[in-house]
Order: sequence, then structure tokens, then C-alpha cells
Amino acid sequence: DIQMTQSPSSLSASVGDRVTITCQASQDISNYLNWYQQKPGKAPKLLIYDASNLETGVPSRFSGSGSGTDFTFTISSLQPEDIATYYCQQYDNLPSYTFGQGTKLEIK
Amino acid sequence: EVQLVESGGGLVQPGGSLRLSCAASGFTFSSYAMHWVRQAPGKGLEYVSAISSNGGSTYYANSVKGRFTISRDNSKNTLYLQMGSLRAEDMAVYYCARVGGYAFFDYWGQGTLVTVSS
Repeated sequence: DIQMTQSPSSLSASVGDRVTITCQASQDISNYLNWYQQKPGKAPKLLIYDASNLETGVPSRFSGSGSGTDFTFTISSLQPEDIATYYCQQYDNLPSYTFGQGTKLEIK
Repeated sequence: EVQLVESGGGLVQPGGSLRLSCAASGFTFSSYAMHWVRQAPGKGLEYVSAISSNGGSTYYANSVKGRFTISRDNSKNTLYLQMGSLRAEDMAVYYCARVGGYAFFDYWGQGTLVTVSS
């Protein structure tokens, strides 16, 4: 099974900061990676698909990059409404999916 | 508007059974593969099961294989998850999700809580 290692597990940043989260796959997964945002008590929301494509309606301050085994998710300027937990998800060996452990983002 | 509404969660004793439902609306349900994802209290997301658009193919995570059965009724626009031999570690919020595009979950339900306890 493909394992996804997401880091950090938690992160505290100030409004306006640039925030970066990384996700590492245990083997080459090409660009088969999605990113989700989950706010407390809510279902996850798709932000980025295929490693770098912004879902329709998602603010442009969110971006993703990477391929192979190393991926990065970035918020260019942190906003108060971005407080949430973020998950990466690989889909290299469909129909199985694997999520990263999550990164809880807080405002400093 | 696409909507997915889960139901059927509740309290069940260890070893018991429960059937979850996910009612879909706002899209052509029979054209989409559907999935179940769960989240234990305070924990991350865990992928559980998948079913193809016509119900002909199914997939289960190792953690539920042999105990859970996914199915769908395209005439009723409803997805199901029959859960048996429930364990404490199955306690979680269960979400149904639709696969959009190639392989991302573009719509999710609000979740239904399954509590396994004596």
C-alpha cells in the first residue's frame, strides 16, 4: 500500500503569512494527488486536484505543486477563514485512495 | 444543486450491524462512482469503500473487508453501506462522497455518526 506522510501535523501562523504543507508518498505517484480542507464539524472540501489544479471557486491564494513523491500545498497569504485541517490524498492505485494524516492550521 | 444526505447512524453494540444510506440529488446518480470515507473522533480521514456507477465493481479497505458491504440502488438514487461485526475502532463519522472528474471527491455528504459501545 502507498503511504502518505504529511507534515507538519500542526502549524500556527499569522494572518498574511505564507503557509506551506508538504506531503510525501512512499512511491512514485506521478501527479495523482488531491488536497482537501476540512473545517470543524464539516465535511472535507476539495481545493486542489491532480497536484496543481485549482478547483472551481477556490481562491487563488491556494496552490499546489509537485510530482513523483514530493508535493507541496501553499496558502500565499493566510486569511482567518483558512483555519482548518488540510489533507492530501493520493489515487495512484485506484480504486484505493490514501489520505495523509492531516495538518491542523491555527492562527497565531 | 448536488446534495448527498447520509442517514442511518446511531449507537450499536460491538458485534452488531447497521446500514447507512446516502440519498443523492441534483445530478445523474447512475453516472457516478460513489465512495464511503470515515473519520474517527478527533482523527484523520480513512478511505472505506467504493462502488462503480452501475454497481458492478466494489472495493473495500482491508480494515472493513469481509464485514462491510457497499451497494447502490440507482432507481432510488441511494448509496448504502451495510456494516456488520462492528468493532470499537469502527466508531466514526461516515461520509459518502461522489467522484468527479478523474479521481477526486467533489461533493461530500454532511456525515452520519456511528457509535460502537456496549
